[in-house]
Amino acid sequence: SQQGEEDPQALSIQEGENATMNCSYKTSINNLQWYRQNSGRGLVHLILIRSNEREKHSGRLRVTLDTSKKSSSLLITASQAADTASYFCATDGPGGTSYGKLTFGQGTILTVHP
Amino acid sequence: EAQVTQNPRYLITVTGKKLTVTCSQNMNHEYMSWYRQDPGLGLRQIYYSMNVEVTDKGDVPEGYKVSRKEKRNFPLILESPSPNQTSLYFCASSPVPNQPQHFGDGTRLSIL
Repeated sequence: SQQGEEDPQALSIQEGENATMNCSYKTSINNLQWYRQNSGRGLVHLILIRSNEREKHSGRLRVTLDTSKKSSSLLITASQAADTASYFCATDGPGGTSYGKLTFGQGTILTVHP
Repeated sequence: EAQVTQNPRYLITVTGKKLTVTCSQNMNHEYMSWYRQDPGLGLRQIYYSMNVEVTDKGDVPEGYKVSRKEKRNFPLILESPSPNQTSLYFCASSPVPNQPQHFGDGTRLSIL
């Protein structure tokens, strides 16, 4: 089963609105990362949040992590048409045999209309 | 410029014809990884490497081989490709595991 699962699968908003994407995972983690992918291109790292952190900001991005619920959310504020992309969460294991394994979710496709 | 370079970017080939997708990074990263991306399944890890001569299976290693003879290179080998390996492949690297990864631009393989 997928370790990281995002919802919604697709999100369509108007420019200027906020976009929120959620990620759930199943096992304990060291870090949770969010990546962005423009159509057909490689993924670009956005933000990393450690398991002992609850919230992190980077520009218009805000990530929260709730380890008790095994979930994270990515908020993009004041969205722009250029934010149109797919967004993925990725989780890594707590160590041991999981060290080095990175599991991606299925992604959320965000469309921002001008 | 820091980058991960994959070649080829596109390849159409036939079942059973061995192929290699090369991956090279210029950031002196110890950790490298291969993923495949399929619609509705996200990215799935094929193999990863902690350092030279150290490789481990990811979630979907069947039908693939890798080698890590030099730190900068991590080729993905399909000894006998089959149509179910038609996919978009990504190579990535990072200084150590569990750190932000730098991705290549992808290789789109079509196996007929």
